[in-house]
Amino acid sequence: SQQGEEDPQALSIQEGENATMNCSYKTSINNLQWYRQNSGRGLVHLILIRSNEREKHSGRLRVTLDTSKKSSSLLITASRAADTASYFCATAENSGGSNYKLTFGKGTLLTVNP
Amino acid sequence: NAGVTQTPKFQVLKTGQSMTLQCAQDMNHNSMYWYRQDPGMGLRLIYYSASEGTTDKGEVPNGYNVSRLNKREFSLRLESAAPSQTSVYFCASAPTANTEAFFGQGTRLTVV
Repeated sequence: SQQGEEDPQALSIQEGENATMNCSYKTSINNLQWYRQNSGRGLVHLILIRSNEREKHSGRLRVTLDTSKKSSSLLITASRAADTASYFCATAENSGGSNYKLTFGKGTLLTVNP
Repeated sequence: NAGVTQTPKFQVLKTGQSMTLQCAQDMNHNSMYWYRQDPGMGLRLIYYSASEGTTDKGEVPNGYNVSRLNKREFSLRLESAAPSQTSVYFCASAPTANTEAFFGQGTRLTVV
């Protein structure tokens, strides 16, 4: 089964509002990452937060990580129509020795209405 | 500045045919991945290669094989394609296995 699970599956908001997406995962991780995918295209990395970090900012993005609850949230402030996309969380898990694998959740489809 | 290049971009196969999806990166990355993306399922990891010379199974490896030909190239082979393998396949690479990944534009595969 997949490691990450995003919530909600779909989110529709008005331009200028904030969007919050959540991610829960199952096992210990080295880091958690968020990606964005515009329709039918490859994924683009947004932000990485390590397991010993609790919060990270990048422009209009704010990510939190709670390892005790195995959950993360992505906040996009002052959303724009151009933010319309699918957003995925991904976890880097140790798969033995110094090997890690990167597994993704099912994603949240964000629609920002002008 | 190519990044991660996947070929082909589109492919239609008949059930039982075989084919190899090619992936190459020019960023000197150690780790490479193959994912499939189906509607409502997000991305599922098929195989990955944490470094040159190693490959490991991901969440959905059945029906696939991989080859890490060299540091640049990581190919995915379908020996006997099935309709259930109709999907969009993404290759990705990363400097190391616990850093950000860079994705190709995908291969849209249809098995009829």
